[in-house]
Amino acid sequence: AQTVTQSQPEMSVQEAETVTLSCTYDTSENNYYLFWYKQPPSRQMILVIRQEAYKQQNATENRFSVNFQKAAKSFSLKISDSQLGDTAMYFCAFMMGYNNNDMRFGAGTRLTVKP
Amino acid sequence: DTEVTQTPKHLVMGMTNKKSLKCEQHMGHRAMYWYKQKAKKPPELMFVYSYEKLSINESVPSRFSPECPNSSLLNLHLHALQPEDSALYLCASSQEGLAGDEQFFGPGTRLTVL
Repeated sequence: AQTVTQSQPEMSVQEAETVTLSCTYDTSENNYYLFWYKQPPSRQMILVIRQEAYKQQNATENRFSVNFQKAAKSFSLKISDSQLGDTAMYFCAFMMGYNNNDMRFGAGTRLTVKP
Repeated sequence: DTEVTQTPKHLVMGMTNKKSLKCEQHMGHRAMYWYKQKAKKPPELMFVYSYEKLSINESVPSRFSPECPNSSLLNLHLHALQPEDSALYLCASSQEGLAGDEQFFGPGTRLTVL
């Protein structure tokens, strides 16, 4: 079974600084997708960034980028120039490449951006 | 319209009540999902509808009954719930229900079972 581990329950960062959230996963498959979802205090979850396992290039979306290390099964999220609106729970998620139905979430990291 | 809406926002019910949660999207998505999220925990998948057919039931108790009347609407019927069923119930949708598709989430219904 696939598992997703986020070892940092809580983190904080000063506004405008950079922070990295860690995520590791366990799978024997070669074809899969990884996601970072953000759930702000208002609770509506939104996709931050998505990575296809067969792509070696790390995904980037504006201030958000990932460090995808397939061999190490690591998928960390870097947030640059942190903003107060980045305060949220961040979930790392894994989905098999052949089955959209079973998206497995990690336990989450609560990030607080301090002014 | 890139929104998934859920009603009601909050629901309090007794263990003998019957109630329903409603989810709607107008993005033309063909897959819809129900998740259960306990406090300070990640969402857990309950049901998936793909092209209005139930494709996954993650061994959810029968006191939860999903319904997909059309591709835009998803209901979750609740009956004889237990206090441990109190949680945030999230609805999501994705375009084709294919692997890797982004899921768009609604704001959730906060359910309290007394």
